[in-house]
Formats: sequence, C-alpha cells, structure tokens
Amino acid sequence: EVQLVESGGGLVQPGRSLRLSCAASGFTFDDYAMHWVRQAPGKGLEWVSGISWNSGSIGYADSVKGRFTISRDNAKNSLYLQMNSLRAEDTALYYCAKDTNLGIAAPNFDYWGQGTLVTVSS
Amino acid sequence: QSALTQPPSASGSPGQSVTISCTGTSSDVGGYNYVSWYQQHPGKAPKLMIYEVSKRPSGVPDRFSGSKSGNTASLTVSGLQAEDEADYYCSSYAGSNTYVFGTGTKVTVL
Repeated sequence: EVQLVESGGGLVQPGRSLRLSCAASGFTFDDYAMHWVRQAPGKGLEWVSGISWNSGSIGYADSVKGRFTISRDNAKNSLYLQMNSLRAEDTALYYCAKDTNLGIAAPNFDYWGQGTLVTVSS
Repeated sequence: QSALTQPPSASGSPGQSVTISCTGTSSDVGGYNYVSWYQQHPGKAPKLMIYEVSKRPSGVPDRFSGSKSGNTASLTVSGLQAEDEADYYCSSYAGSNTYVFGTGTKVTVL
C-alpha cells in the first residue's frame, strides 16, 4: 500500500525557515517524480514544486522561486521542502504527492499524503 | 503562472450530467495534452480522476470523462450520484517544469 506521510509543519514567524519532510513507502521511490502541493485554508490547490526521479529536473512556482528548495533522498525514500523567508501567504496545508512518471514534464498526482500544516504568523 | 479559470459552482440532480469548464491559455491547456482533473471531498486529500485530457485511472468510474478544445478543457460527470458532490480542480502542465491548477468548482448534487 502506497503511503506518504508529511511532517515538519508548525507555527513559524515571518522571515523564518522551516523544513518539511515526506516519508514514502509501498512503492519504488526512485522510479517516480515527486511534488509538493499546498492549499491555504478554505482555498484552492496550488502546485509548489516538483522533482524528477533522479533530481535532474526541478521546477518551482513563481510564488516560491528563490525561497523554497525541493530535494529528495532516494536511499531514505524521502522528499523534502526547505522553506526560507516565509511569508503570511505561505500559510497552508502542504501535501506531498507522487507522480505517475519519472520526470516532471507531464505530472499526474496519483497518491497524496494527508498534509502538514504550516502557519506563518507573528 | 496564473490559475486556470473554472466556474465557482455547478449542480445537477441525481442521474443528470454536469460539465465543468477549465480555461487557460496557449501556454498551458492549449499547448499540451497534459490536463488532469482532481476530486476533493471536504477534509480529504485530492484524488486523480482524469489525466492526459481524457484518460481514466484504474478504479475511476466511466461516468467521468474529459475533453479539450483549444484553451479550454472540460470534465463531464454523467449519471450524477450523491458521492460525486465535491470540489473539482483541473490542472495543466505549463512548460519549463511548471504546473498550474484551476480555481476549483464546487459540485452540488441537488
């Protein structure tokens, strides 16, 4: 059974940093691209970032480019999101999502975690 | 990377059909056959319902179908059932390793 378990969320002050993790199990992690998708409270979905199976291709939404860094450790079956210079508008539930492909050029998210909540507030 | 435009709401009676539109540009929806649709029930993670415009993942009922014309994609739910009441989001590859979601549509089964 595919499982994606996010962790690392919490309350953080504006301008500070946070690192999210996603532990994957139930599939061959390094056969698939992975993504982060967020959802602000009561709002819609927003794609944040994606990384190919071998970290060779990475993409970011304009809203986080230069502040967030996605990475993965295939030996640990884990996905990460380093979030720096956090803003109030980054407040959201952050989902880890598995792609159906190796690369991120045609993403389809077939499995999702339950999300980890990030709240940016002073 | 502007969000794709969807109607805020749509509704239909049980057994009827409802169609949701998703309008983008030639840089996303119109430029690639990589449009997907997700269903999200309250408090739950999204579920992939359609990918690559019109393909259904295993386990998704054939009541769900997708299509695309120009810069607009559509999701049709035929034979509406109570469990179809949810939020629906379209999404599209937008080039340069980026991806964009739609604004979301709340489907109500009357």
